[in-house]
Amino acid sequence: DSGVTQTPKHLITATGQRVTLRCSPRSGDLSVYWYQQSLDQGLQFLIQYYNGEERAKGNILERFSAQQFPDLHSELNLSSLELGDSALYFCASSVEGTIDGYTFGSGTRLTVV
Amino acid sequence: AQKITQTQPGMFVQEKEAVTLDCTYDTSDPSYGLFWYKQPSSGEMIFLIYQGSYDQQNATEGRYSLNFQKARKSANLVISASQLGDSAMYFCATYGSSNTGKLIFGQGTTLQVKP
Repeated sequence: DSGVTQTPKHLITATGQRVTLRCSPRSGDLSVYWYQQSLDQGLQFLIQYYNGEERAKGNILERFSAQQFPDLHSELNLSSLELGDSALYFCASSVEGTIDGYTFGSGTRLTVV
Repeated sequence: AQKITQTQPGMFVQEKEAVTLDCTYDTSDPSYGLFWYKQPSSGEMIFLIYQGSYDQQNATEGRYSLNFQKARKSANLVISASQLGDSAMYFCATYGSSNTGKLIFGQGTTLQVKP
């Protein structure tokens, strides 16, 4: 157990639907990162939050959004889902937005049918 | 912008032999780090080894070592005495001082260990 908890582990949903992926960082970590791993795009950084505020944005679609709550857990919301959104979504956390203690969760596998 | 290139989509190695997985990087950051992760078929990302750009010696972690050649911008992973459990996808990634902690990954190398 890495200490970063992602739920659910698996998710199957239909095109056009909306889903929420949840991430609880390691105790004491203030920064949360979201990554998407798909067959055609590989592993890509989506977005980073630090202590509740957005700090960096990567190749995140407008249909996707995220937030970090006061208790530091984070949610990634994916809407108007398309078949191409099927991927493994990882959350990682670190102490202060640096590489110190950088730890990945076990991922959420999303399948859009 | 930073970039990681892994030119070996797939590799085979005999059990108990050593194998080198290639990684080249491109960065304009004066300070950066290089990671290797292992992703077994179950999907989780397992941290293997890290090398900072100013580290004088190559990093080692058990059977894993990182052959860091700064002038050539390469950070190859060496796995000694391969085991069947080493069969997995391996990713090289970089982090730069200007990146706020996000990692840039290569496309990965699939390693299969033969008994």
